[in-house]
Amino acid sequence: GAGVSQTPSNKVTEKGKYVELRCDPISGHTALYWYRQSLGQGPEFLIYFQGTGAADDSGLPNDRFFAVRPEGSVSTLKIQRTERGDSAVYLCASSSRHADTQYFGPGTRLTVL
Amino acid sequence: KQEVTQIPAALSVPEGENLVLNCSFTDSAIYNLQWFRQDPGKGLTSLLLIQSSQREQTSGRLNASLDKSSGRSTLYIAASQPGDSATYLCALNAGNMLTFGGGTRLMVKP
Repeated sequence: GAGVSQTPSNKVTEKGKYVELRCDPISGHTALYWYRQSLGQGPEFLIYFQGTGAADDSGLPNDRFFAVRPEGSVSTLKIQRTERGDSAVYLCASSSRHADTQYFGPGTRLTVL
Repeated sequence: KQEVTQIPAALSVPEGENLVLNCSFTDSAIYNLQWFRQDPGKGLTSLLLIQSSQREQTSGRLNASLDKSSGRSTLYIAASQPGDSATYLCALNAGNMLTFGGGTRLMVKP
């Protein structure tokens, strides 16, 4: 079946603007994860959903970041009042259940000017 | 807090060599360990997953080992090819999240 998809693939915005990044997980996967990867570094955890609820949001850097998964499938990562330091690749992953193999999407490259 | 270190940060080898990539971690309370490959500008491709109770996994020319007592994992690549050039990342799964190392950038020269 289809893998994890993310849209848009690239997003350029201005400092202070609001952005939304979308993730479509593999069909039937109950667990969904968001990570952020800066240039030359490994991805860093942001948030984990089990079904519709955020089971662990300990990686969100501050209250400008928020994510939802209202129907337990598609998830949206929302960033308010973007800052230049938010520029990174945002990766989404899904797994069939908790602690199982995670499958990653291609990422959204966010650039804040 | 889990800390994951990958050595070396970069590696350049001639085609055909066998090579070993290293991953060390500080917390052995894990579900599993995954090795990923990342091509420039792309997402992550899962190569191998080793469950906490396992010692190694093999897939084709790749073999990954896990030693929780010493906090180490290795990824062995046999008979390297130019197409193996990529960044290789190890990640420890504590359940709710993966904790990644910084990666090893591998270049295999023809």
